[in-house]
Amino acid sequence: DVKVTQSSRYLVKRTGEKVFLECVQDMDHENMFWYRQDPGLGLRLIYFSYDVKMKEKGDIPEGYSVSREKKERFSLILESASTNQTSMYLCASSDDVLQNEQFFGPGTRLTVL
Amino acid sequence: AQSVTQPDIHITVSEGASLELRCNYSYGATPYLFWYVQSPGQGLQLLLKYFSGDTLVQGIKGFEAEFKRSQSSFNLRKPSVHWSDAAEYFCAVVPSSGGSYIPTFGRGTSLIVHP
Repeated sequence: DVKVTQSSRYLVKRTGEKVFLECVQDMDHENMFWYRQDPGLGLRLIYFSYDVKMKEKGDIPEGYSVSREKKERFSLILESASTNQTSMYLCASSDDVLQNEQFFGPGTRLTVL
Repeated sequence: AQSVTQPDIHITVSEGASLELRCNYSYGATPYLFWYVQSPGQGLQLLLKYFSGDTLVQGIKGFEAEFKRSQSSFNLRKPSVHWSDAAEYFCAVVPSSGGSYIPTFGRGTSLIVHP
């Protein structure tokens, strides 16, 4: 059974903290993505990566950075968390062999106090 | 740039009734088309996809979708809804050419099922 896992389901952090969200996929996919999901706004793409050490900005990269040191792992970093980054964060992976169908992790519900 | 429109933010149906969720897209050619479902507090799961061939696509959980090129639509249907179908549904497109693999998602339709 193919899987995308995320390091935490729920996370509570304080304003100004550095936050790491980890995502791991076991499907040997080339592409990995980070989205945030907010009510009424759907999924918004933060960053994506098409290869190890490669990264591209999505639609809302401000306040975030990413790291992809290994093919299976894609990390999202909040350098200095703010309350407006309270959200659901979803990681996904894809491969063009399957028409770039996305496989999603269970999500991390982040609350910044 | 491509876009996806799901015109219904919420849909309410009675259990056992039929369902149709609408999805329209804007893209220069026929893209790859997807429907995903998200249960509360969960990630998204693929229901079905269209990439070529028969325009009526069967998916999991008894769902189907029909691709209509002339209408740029990919509507999701189910003949008889179960209470467990209550969830958020997302339509998405991915370009079928040009090398891009970045999906565009609709904003989602929330399905409420009454007993």
